[in-house]
Amino acid sequence: DAMVIQNPRYQVTQFGKPVTLSCSQTLNHNVMYWYQQKSSQAPKLLFHYYDKDFNNEADTPDNFQSRRPNTSFCFLDIRSPGLGDAAMYLCATSSYRGRTEAFFGQGTRLTVV
Amino acid sequence: DQQVKQNSPSLSVQEGRISILNCDYTNSMFDYFLWYKKYPAEGPTFLISISSIKDKNEDGRFTVFLNKSAKHLSLHIVPSQPGDSAVYFCAARGAGSYQLTFGKGTKLSVIP
Repeated sequence: DAMVIQNPRYQVTQFGKPVTLSCSQTLNHNVMYWYQQKSSQAPKLLFHYYDKDFNNEADTPDNFQSRRPNTSFCFLDIRSPGLGDAAMYLCATSSYRGRTEAFFGQGTRLTVV
Repeated sequence: DQQVKQNSPSLSVQEGRISILNCDYTNSMFDYFLWYKKYPAEGPTFLISISSIKDKNEDGRFTVFLNKSAKHLSLHIVPSQPGDSAVYFCAARGAGSYQLTFGKGTKLSVIP
């Protein structure tokens, strides 16, 4: 089945140690998103790519970076994770053609110790 | 400043009855609305959507109603089933925008 796959499902990292989360998609969608969701809160958009064009949300900390080497893959890099960065990170994709829904991966639960 | 609000963190409904989940928004530029369902340890899955040019969209047991003047939408599930127990997120998108703005979610429990 075509889908959005995130790896790993669970990630434990040390305070201040760089970590990378990955996302791949088989939907061939132009747009890819990274959301952060903390407990009992709304998913919050960090940034999105429209093809290779990177769009950062104004309030996304500089500690968060992203790479999209090709249509299928997108990475979230956290340069120096703090305890406050512990959250569920959700990758999603959508097509720019028409008003379609976004398809989400299963998420990566990040724990910072 | 929350632009999409789901004021009920939780809702319990008996199996077979109607579940009504509510959502309010403040941004008049939103023109497309979606409902997502999320099980624990999984990503959100798309359920149903509605464009601002409509006031109702139906898909099987799920119906979404949109009241633009009140900036309010609701999701009706009839009849409710135990498998519907999940967190439901309301989301909105502005004209020409790709990003979705989410509410905090409502946890629905359907009691057998």
